[in-house]
Amino acid sequence: GAGVSQSPRYKVAKRGQDVALRCDPISGHVSLFWYQQALGQGPEFLTYFQNEAQLDKSGLPSDRFFAERPEGSVSTLKIQRTQQEDSAVYLCASSLGGARETQYFGPGTRLLVL
Amino acid sequence: ELKVEQNPLFLSMQEGKNYTIYCNYSTTSDRLYWYRQDPGKSLESLFVLLSNGAVKQEGRLMASLDTKARLSTLHITAAVHDLSATYFCAVGTGATNKLIFGTGTLLAVQP
Repeated sequence: GAGVSQSPRYKVAKRGQDVALRCDPISGHVSLFWYQQALGQGPEFLTYFQNEAQLDKSGLPSDRFFAERPEGSVSTLKIQRTQQEDSAVYLCASSLGGARETQYFGPGTRLLVL
Repeated sequence: ELKVEQNPLFLSMQEGKNYTIYCNYSTTSDRLYWYRQDPGKSLESLFVLLSNGAVKQEGRLMASLDTKARLSTLHITAAVHDLSATYFCAVGTGATNKLIFGTGTLLAVQP
């Protein structure tokens, strides 16, 4: 079956612009995660959804970052008033749910803020 | 705060040689995941280790977990060029199982 998909794959934004990144998880997966991966680093947790409920947003770096998953499937990560330090790859992952399931990652959105 | 450390950060190997990547973590967990990442690509799940003493093998790679020592290892046997990639270990935490990743090990296998 289809894996996790993300769009766009690449995004160039001018500083101050708002961006929206989309994630389509694997069908039937309850859990959805967003991670941020800076160049040369490991991914860092941003936020977690169980179905439509955002249960953990402790990793969001500022109130400019906002995520939603209104119908419990597709999720959108929005960054308002982008800044250069927001440049990174944003990875979405999904899992069946439960505390021990493997997370399957999408290809990521590479964001460059100029 | 949970910290996950990998070493080495960079590993240059000759084909046919053996080597081990180490993953240490700072607090108790029995959920350890290994991922592979090729340049410009996403993360591919390699191994899931969910109990003390767990050992998994796939091809030339073998992973193990010692929860008492808070240590996981990824052993490479008779390396081939196709194994060149960055390898990450990640520890699952909390009820949500959010992952805390190590710094990654960049593996370059030279012919």
